[in-house]
Amino acid sequence: SQQGEEDPQALSIQEGENATMNCSYKTSINNLQWYRQNSGRGLVHLILIRSNEREKHSGRLRVTLDTSKKSSSLLITASRAADTASYFCAPTYFNQGGKLIFGQGTELSVKP
Amino acid sequence: EADIYQTPRYLVIGTGKKITLECSQTMGHDKMYWYQQDPGMELHLIHYSYGVNSTEKGDLSSESTVSRIRTEHFPLTLESARPSHTSQYLCASSEAGTWGETQYFGPGTRLLVL
Repeated sequence: SQQGEEDPQALSIQEGENATMNCSYKTSINNLQWYRQNSGRGLVHLILIRSNEREKHSGRLRVTLDTSKKSSSLLITASRAADTASYFCAPTYFNQGGKLIFGQGTELSVKP
Repeated sequence: EADIYQTPRYLVIGTGKKITLECSQTMGHDKMYWYQQDPGMELHLIHYSYGVNSTEKGDLSSESTVSRIRTEHFPLTLESARPSHTSQYLCASSEAGTWGETQYFGPGTRLLVL
């Protein structure tokens, strides 16, 4: 399977703490995207990082990409209760016509 | 918020009924997608379209069918609903291209077949 695999499957932290989620994939990618899904809702795009990039920031989000290890991480700093959601990584591959292939996600719970 | 809409949001229906899930977007995107997602599980691509009159089956086999007669509209139809079709169905769209563009998702339709 070419889906990204997120780790951990579930993470519970206190408000104000940082949350780190990891994603591993199998073969060379064109880019890797992170999405958030609130319970029972659609997905919201967070960040896209291209294969020639190593790090990207967006507000309290920081994404890193290590193509040698075929892995990416999403860091949420100073977490808030509103960050409670499932987080999915979606690598895109050159031979997949740009389709996104989602893993099971990391379920993040931020307790006030 | 993305300009992509799905109706109905929730649907409870009996076995054997024909249903159509609506999806529309106002962003002028050429590409549209349907995903199926069970609670706590990954999304599975079941249909996609690269433009008007283009439809393709996704990675997960599905008994549903789709049509793309207009750019903004991508309805999904189940001719005869069964309990195994109970799931959440998510529609998405993206700009044209082949490099894995950002996808914009609708709020989803939760389907329960009794």
